[in-house]
Amino acid sequence: GENVEQHPSTLSVQEGDSAVIKCTYSDSASNYFPWYKQELGKGPQLIIDIRSNVGEKKDQRIAVTLNKTAKHFSLHITETQPEDSAVYFCAASNNAGGTSYGKLTFGQGTILTVHP
Amino acid sequence: GAVVSQHPSRVICKSGTSVKIECRSLDFQATTMFWYRQFPKQSLMLMATSNEGSKATYEQGVEKDKFLINHASLTLSTLTVTSAHPEDSSFYICSARSGGRNTGELFFGEGSRLTVL
Repeated sequence: GENVEQHPSTLSVQEGDSAVIKCTYSDSASNYFPWYKQELGKGPQLIIDIRSNVGEKKDQRIAVTLNKTAKHFSLHITETQPEDSAVYFCAASNNAGGTSYGKLTFGQGTILTVHP
Repeated sequence: GAVVSQHPSRVICKSGTSVKIECRSLDFQATTMFWYRQFPKQSLMLMATSNEGSKATYEQGVEKDKFLINHASLTLSTLTVTSAHPEDSSFYICSARSGGRNTGELFFGEGSRLTVL
């Protein structure tokens, strides 16, 4: 099955700096890579996602890059703000269909702390 | 946007009792729902895939007789933790996708924190 590794486990930055979180995946059939933000005691919220036919996607201060050959993808947050502090999870899924459709394998999570 | 609601958000029970957690898709029909478990400071681990009108598919190592899943309608899946023990204390999260969409995007509930005394 799929295995997703996420680094770093903790990341501390100053407000205004950039933050980068990296993930690698093992299953070359995976074709959907979402990123989630989870605040304490709440469910994960999708912040951005990318599909295997795209190399980069950007949404305001958040961007995700995907390298299919190397099987890794990264989350980039620019101009970080204290409210960006949370746990971030990457995930991978094979959405080609069948019983695995929509099944996400999550990375271990990154605790991001943005200091004012 | 789509909303997935879980109930209860928190539940405390005595060891040996059973607890039911509901997962509802509020504005779309969900042919498939997924149940995850998250221990403190850990990632989400998929427990089972719940398919409307058929038996759930459990991930390896998850006891199907202990974690009963019922997906009787297109908007509701329930997870029942039977004969709960303290080691079952965890954050249970469901997600849902619509049968009519082909985007792969999943919508997550807010989670249900189970504490077994």
